[in-house]
Amino acid sequence: AQKVTQAQTEISVVEKEDVTLDCVYETRDTTYYLFWYKQPPSGELVFLIRRNSFDEQNEISGRYSWNFQKSTSSFNFTITASQVVDSAVYFCALSTANFGNEKLTFGTGTRLTIIP
Amino acid sequence: TAGITQAPTSQILAAGRSMTLRCTQDMRHNAMYWYRQDLGLGLRLIHYSNTAGTTGKGEVPDGYSVSRANTDDFPLTLASAVPSQTSVYFCASSEDGGGYGYTFGSGTRLTVV
Repeated sequence: AQKVTQAQTEISVVEKEDVTLDCVYETRDTTYYLFWYKQPPSGELVFLIRRNSFDEQNEISGRYSWNFQKSTSSFNFTITASQVVDSAVYFCALSTANFGNEKLTFGTGTRLTIIP
Repeated sequence: TAGITQAPTSQILAAGRSMTLRCTQDMRHNAMYWYRQDLGLGLRLIHYSNTAGTTGKGEVPDGYSVSRANTDDFPLTLASAVPSQTSVYFCASSEDGGGYGYTFGSGTRLTVV
């Protein structure tokens, strides 16, 4: 069985501060994919990143960065110099790579509020 | 624009009534999924279909049914709605192997009263 844990239910930071959203996952599969999605107040799900289990390199995209550590089963997401537009609910998710049985399992989400 | 279309956008439904949520994709993805989103619970998988003609149960299938007559359409039916089915419903699709990514619809907000 797969499981994704986002222990932080809500986080509030003042604009321009850095913030890290934690994600811990469980899976018995050796090949899997990890995702982060953003859900702004408008409600749609916005894809941010996909990472496969064989690629532990950290990734940076503008103010966003991701730290993938298989040793601790974690895939944390950091926003540098946060902005009000970053206010949203963020979901971490896990998908196996078993053909014919791929399902995306979500964490419960972290609501991030950036205070101007 | 290619993607997933869900209808209706929102609906208020009397308890005991039936309703079908529609989902159509134009990307020729083999796999499709229905999720419900509830506060504090994230998104949970209701039903899925790996290819046209096949369906499977997800984490919370009770009270829902699906069909997959063709590649593009994956309707979700509530035969007799109950208030606990008040939720936001998302349809999604993926190419073979979920690792290629998932595309989500804009969601249907359903309120059962």
